[in-house]
Amino acid sequence: DAGITQSPRHKVTETGTPVTLRCHQTENHRYMYWYRQDPGHGLRLIHYSYGVKDTDKGEVSDGYSVSRSKTEDFLLTLESATSSQTSVYFCAISERLAGSTDTQYFGPGTRLTVL
Amino acid sequence: AQRVTQPEKLLSVFKGAPVELKCNYSYSGSPELFWYVQYSRQRLQLLLRHISRESIKGFTADLNKGETSFHLKKPFAQEEDSAMYYCARMNYGGSQGNLIFGKGTKLSVKP
Repeated sequence: DAGITQSPRHKVTETGTPVTLRCHQTENHRYMYWYRQDPGHGLRLIHYSYGVKDTDKGEVSDGYSVSRSKTEDFLLTLESATSSQTSVYFCAISERLAGSTDTQYFGPGTRLTVL
Repeated sequence: AQRVTQPEKLLSVFKGAPVELKCNYSYSGSPELFWYVQYSRQRLQLLLRHISRESIKGFTADLNKGETSFHLKKPFAQEEDSAMYYCARMNYGGSQGNLIFGKGTKLSVKP
């Protein structure tokens, strides 16, 4: 499973509270991503990282921030959780190799419920 | 904006029947396309990459540039094929490519 773990796997929190999700990889891949998965929407990119301290916004970045202080960890923070952020969050990693198609490998997901 | 369209939310077939999961993409040069599968409450797994032209678990997918399609096919469906299937394409914007996913098709294979 490409050495990707996510924590916690499940979380229930209340509106207005901060939440941090962690993605950890043992593959030393350069690129890391956070997606959210919602019925009827598929997977949508929140933020991604192309190296330590290098991050960029995705399609649905509002209300989320990220940090990457080490190659192996990519943190997703909801500063003040809202019910619309109830979702399943997936982390992914990739290592784009010259001359080959990039392939992303996914973590097991975190199911977040905001009451 | 680049898009990936999977027109069917749900596809239900009987075991042994042929399966075709449709995927269309917005035209943009030479796309890099993928199929991912997600079994119940599990992580997404890469099923196919168009560039490698491989067959995994009996599934194949051919890129048709004229129709901008990348349909996933299997001649004889099995019950264990029941899952969510996502078509995705690589989007090379910003500092690194990211995947754009379709909304997914749930395949249900009945005994």
